[in-house]
Amino acid sequence: QSVLTQPPSASGTPGQRVTISCSGSSSNIAVNTVNWYQQLPGTAPKLLIYTNDQRPSGVPDRFSGSKSGTSASLAISGLQSEDEADYYCAAWDNRLNGHVVFGGGTKLTVL
Amino acid sequence: EVQLLESGGGLVQPGGSLRLSCAASGFTFSSYAMSWVRQAPGKGLGWVSTLRSAGGRTYYADSVKGRFTISRDNAKNTLYLQMNSLRAEDTAIYYCAKPITTSGLGDLDAYDVWGQGTMVTVSS
Repeated sequence: QSVLTQPPSASGTPGQRVTISCSGSSSNIAVNTVNWYQQLPGTAPKLLIYTNDQRPSGVPDRFSGSKSGTSASLAISGLQSEDEADYYCAAWDNRLNGHVVFGGGTKLTVL
Repeated sequence: EVQLLESGGGLVQPGGSLRLSCAASGFTFSSYAMSWVRQAPGKGLGWVSTLRSAGGRTYYADSVKGRFTISRDNAKNTLYLQMNSLRAEDTAIYYCAKPITTSGLGDLDAYDVWGQGTMVTVSS
């Protein structure tokens, strides 16, 4: 059971906008920044969003992140078939001397 | 090109040991905190450990504390993970990961470069 809670699955049609939620607590998301990763099958994860809403170089602006209180969201607009992947949120957690916590992952299907 | 290359994985019996290595290139390795993240077959990502660049402060997941030791050799641009008392539940792909910044927000947990991973299988 993951410390950060994500829906196990999400779906959308090409061109649509989808959002993936990530719920945490007062020791992680509420007081620290959130990062989002995309993982295509058989590959290493890729950083999609960092410090809540920043995109690394090369990540399309179709991807955006936000945070409010103990929750965060990843939004993907103009959905494309290549966006079909697993998405994970992560954050630093201040308990137990500090550690990183991940969400359980959301499998995004492009219909 | 910024690159991380893990090695040292393999098949080990329960209770055994392995040492993973992660060779870094293309960036100033000594300036970055470095981490290990694992992924069990068919499962999600799980953070294992982080080692700061200076001062040597370490952080471990509860599940590996006391059994795993993270270390680094900045002269060799290499990160290590010594894994002792291995259990079946440690079976996973182990990734080495570099954060996007050397300091400030995200310096311990926003990983912009990942290795290809090395598979560790704990089984009798």
